[in-house]
Amino acid sequence: DQQVKQNSPSLSVQEGRISILNCDYTNSMFDYFLWYKKYPAEGPTFLISISSIKDKNEDGRFTVFLNKSAKHLSLHIVPSQPGDSAVYFCAASMLGTSYGKLTFGQGTILTVHP
Amino acid sequence: DGGITQSPKYLFRKEGQNVTLSCEQNLNHDAMYWYRQDPGQGLRLIYYSQIVNDFQKGDIAEGYSVSREKKESFPLTVTSAQKNPTAFYLCASSIGGEQYFGPGTRLTVT
Repeated sequence: DQQVKQNSPSLSVQEGRISILNCDYTNSMFDYFLWYKKYPAEGPTFLISISSIKDKNEDGRFTVFLNKSAKHLSLHIVPSQPGDSAVYFCAASMLGTSYGKLTFGQGTILTVHP
Repeated sequence: DGGITQSPKYLFRKEGQNVTLSCEQNLNHDAMYWYRQDPGQGLRLIYYSQIVNDFQKGDIAEGYSVSREKKESFPLTVTSAQKNPTAFYLCASSIGGEQYFGPGTRLTVT
């Protein structure tokens, strides 16, 4: 049972344009959501997070939006740069009960073309 | 410099042998985790530990074992009982909601 899903395996975007990566979840108990970026043969690096009490969180070029009623979150990267090309994972947790245990989506490969 | 180290980067073993992957952190984090990543899949949780001398099974613990004798160290043993051990293994630690990952170990079993 995949509780966190990233339905787009890949996304291709032109440099300077917006990249939108999507993530859906099924467990309504999740209350904290994160995005990680991963290059091949390296560990994921934390990008941005959002608590379920918010619907938007912004950090520089990265913005995460949360729609609790739809159980959907998205990561917007504006403007996209070639160095953003990587695999992006969304993850979810239940902060109050799971001691930081994360459930990950399958990942989306983002390619930003110069 | 605080961080998580995993060694070695690449590991090769023959089928039927147990192998232990190292994970060390100097971030003073209480919780530590082991994941595996397979091509086209997300990270799947193998084991996690919230405090020293305590650990819990994750979603795919069969064929693996761990120990947590020190706060800084959380080694993972891939036993011969693990049916598909070839994968990329990631260790993480956390304090609060965010997990911080090591560089990973690529294990190949032939």
